[in-house]
Amino acid sequence: QSVLTQPPSVSAAPGQKVTISCSGSTSNIGSNYVSWYQQLPATAPKLLIYDNDKRPSGIPDRFSGSKSGASATLGITGLQSGDEAAYYCGTWDSSLNAVLFGGGTKLTVL
Amino acid sequence: QVQLQESGPGLVKPSQTLSLTCSVSDDSISTGGYYWSWIRQHPGRGLEWIGYMYHTGHTYYNPSLKSRVTVSVDTSRNQFSLRLTSVTAADTAVYYCVRQWFGAHYYFDLWGRGTLVTVSS
Repeated sequence: QSVLTQPPSVSAAPGQKVTISCSGSTSNIGSNYVSWYQQLPATAPKLLIYDNDKRPSGIPDRFSGSKSGASATLGITGLQSGDEAAYYCGTWDSSLNAVLFGGGTKLTVL
Repeated sequence: QVQLQESGPGLVKPSQTLSLTCSVSDDSISTGGYYWSWIRQHPGRGLEWIGYMYHTGHTYYNPSLKSRVTVSVDTSRNQFSLRLTSVTAADTAVYYCVRQWFGAHYYFDLWGRGTLVTVSS
């Protein structure tokens, strides 16, 4: 069981918006930057969001990140079939002294 | 375009040492500015950070694996390596070499394709 809690799955129709939550504590999300990764089937993860809400070059603005207290949220608008993937949050934990990842959320585009 | 490529045995016997190498192309490990990390993913499961190294030789490991892990660098070959000792079936996973942003931001902006290592006799 991960220290960072994500819903196992979310789903929405094409064109709709979906949010994925990542819940932690003051020792991790509450005091450190959060990043988000997309893992398409049978591929390596890819950085989507860093420093809570910043997008790397090449990541469309359909993807957004936010953080409030000890929770973070990934938002995806204008859902496309190509967005079907697993999404992971990650951050540093100042008590465990380790990078942590959430358990992952599988997105299904209906 | 910078690329990372893992290499090493796909099968390791229990109690032996897992050794993997990551070759970095189009970017020099020696110039600094990044940490170079290893992350693994157990079959069908989430991600586990193993540890990182800096080109100066500074390393930092996940406390849960620290007693068994060594990450080292060969700047002349622009490669870095992972050694994991006393492996068990629980170490079966896809291992990724990853570029980690320098400093306290702890995010991973470039990933290798990953290599599956199976621990079995």
